[in-house]
Order: sequence, then structure tokens, then C-alpha cells
Amino acid sequence: DAGITQSPRHKVTETGTPVTLRCHQTENHRYMYWYRQDPGHGLRLIHYSYGVKDTDKGEVSDGYSVSRSKTEDFLLTLESATSSQTSVYFCAIGAPTSGSDEQYFGPGTRLTVT
Amino acid sequence: GDSVTQMEGPVTLSEEAFLTINCTYTATGYPSLFWYVQYPGEGLQLLLKATKADDKGSNKGFEATYRKETTSFHLEKGSVQVSDSAVYFCALTKAAGNKLTFGGGTRVLVKP
Repeated sequence: DAGITQSPRHKVTETGTPVTLRCHQTENHRYMYWYRQDPGHGLRLIHYSYGVKDTDKGEVSDGYSVSRSKTEDFLLTLESATSSQTSVYFCAIGAPTSGSDEQYFGPGTRLTVT
Repeated sequence: GDSVTQMEGPVTLSEEAFLTINCTYTATGYPSLFWYVQYPGEGLQLLLKATKADDKGSNKGFEATYRKETTSFHLEKGSVQVSDSAVYFCALTKAAGNKLTFGGGTRVLVKP
């Protein structure tokens, strides 16, 4: 398994509170991604990073922000959590500069917003 | 935009049965195609991939062939085991570094 960890693994929070999820990798991959998984939708991209301090939006980025200050860490912040953000969040890593189009996923964080 | 469509589950099978999960896609150009598997409580694992037309990806007894003419990438396994019970996702990417576009997932339950 690729060296990807996510923390926390489970979180329950209240509507309106900020939440930060962390993804940590030990593979030194340049690209990192945040997806959310919802029934019937598969996984959808929230934000991604193509290098330290280089990030861009995905298809469902509203209400989320990200930061990447080091190669190994990619943070996802829900600025003011809403019930529609109850989901399972997956981090992924990739190394396209090495010619690979594969992405490898972390174990996920289950977030419940009450 | 790009999209992936999978057959809806759940698919319930007996052990040693033949499994097929249909996947079709809509995309311009020549995407790479993937199957990921998610076991209960875990993240997604890359099962197999194909990068060009007529390529066959295979792993752990699973196979899928990239059919450009029918825009399909159906997953097959000849004899399933209880341990194959999982959710299977078909996905595509247009280029390395780009996002993965996923289908909705198909839950497979194999009974002894």
C-alpha cells in the first residue's frame, strides 16, 4: 500500500464549525487530491495540488479550501461545515511527472455534520 | 463533460459464479481507464487499468478490455470468492495529473 494516512478517521461536528482534515504521504509524490464519496456519485474531486503552495479547484470546491506547505501534507478545510458536507473524504496521490496516470488513495475520513 | 456509467447494484452471486460489471464511458480523445475496488471500511485500491484501445488489464483473476468502438470497459472474473465482496468503481482520466472521473460504483456480494 502507498504510504498515505488521513486524520482524523472519523469526526462528528456541528453545523457552522470549521473542520480541517489532514492527508500525509511518505511517497514524495508531487500531486495530491481531495475527493468526496457520496452514494450514487462515486468520488468527486474537491481540490488538488500539483506542488507545494500550488493548488487548484475541482468540480465540487464550494465551501472548501486547501493548503499545502510541505510536499507530504495536504490539508482540507471546511470553512463553515454544513449538513451537505457529511460525506467520506479521500485523499489521493499521484506522480504524473514520472509518466504515471495512476492515483493511490488513503483510508478515508468519515465526516458527519449534525 | 466526461462521464462514466456503471450498472447499478447490488450484484449478489454465489461463490464460483461468473461476475460481469458493465462500464461505459463518454469522453473525447483517448482516456486511460481504471477499475478500483473498495473493501468494507477501506480506501480505494487500484485493481487494473488500460491505457489504449484493445488493451486488456488484468489482476487477481479480474480482467477488463478497453473497447473504443463501444466505449466500454467491462470487468469480468470467472470464479468469484467470498473475499471478492466489495464495491467496484470504474474510472477514467484524460491525462496524467488530471482528475479521475468515477462511475457510481457497483456493490458485489458473494455468498458461500
